[in-house]
Amino acid sequence: GESVGLHLPTLSVQEGDNSIINCAYSNSASDYFIWYKQESGKGPQFIIDIRSNMDKRQGQRVTVLLNKTVKHLSLQIAATQPGDSAVYFCAENRAAGYQKVTFGTGTKLQVIP
Amino acid sequence: DSGVTQTPKHLITATGQRVTLRCSPRSGDLSVYWYQQSLDQGLQFLIHYYNGEERAKGNILERFSAQQFPDLHSELNLSSLELGDSALYFCASSGQGVVGEKLFFGSGTQLSVL
Repeated sequence: GESVGLHLPTLSVQEGDNSIINCAYSNSASDYFIWYKQESGKGPQFIIDIRSNMDKRQGQRVTVLLNKTVKHLSLQIAATQPGDSAVYFCAENRAAGYQKVTFGTGTKLQVIP
Repeated sequence: DSGVTQTPKHLITATGQRVTLRCSPRSGDLSVYWYQQSLDQGLQFLIHYYNGEERAKGNILERFSAQQFPDLHSELNLSSLELGDSALYFCASSGQGVVGEKLFFGSGTQLSVL
């Protein structure tokens, strides 16, 4: 079946360190992967995305890595700050047609000051 | 502020009742999506509307229905409510509803069924 799941429910990181949040997916037909951040009391917010024809994409302090061989996705946050504390979701989207974005369970990132 | 407006923010009701959640998309967006987020669960896709027409359906219960009106706002109707329907319901919008567009989420409606 199709699923997008996360390896760890909670991740604690010291402020200033790098964070790595992992995600596994099972649908080989997925074409598009996205990371969203959800702060307490708010809706999810887009962070970064990557197409299946890429294996790495960088943004501001964030990098997404895609390993299609093992169906693994990761989000790296450099120099983690207290404002990065949130739940992070990976999501996948279909290759064709209209959007049907499927989200994983989420990883809670706790930044220790 | 994402530009997506959801009302009400909180809703408390009893089992067996019916409620309507409302969503106004970002200005110019034609697509609206509904998601359900239960405690400790991820976001479950319910349904996607584009310019008034249903485009994709997820695991939406038969007791739930949605529609998108000519002014592009959307409503999610939940009927015969059960305790397990208590959740945070999010609406999101995007431009054309095609793969690759960012979703912009509202702040959600917290539904409590007692």
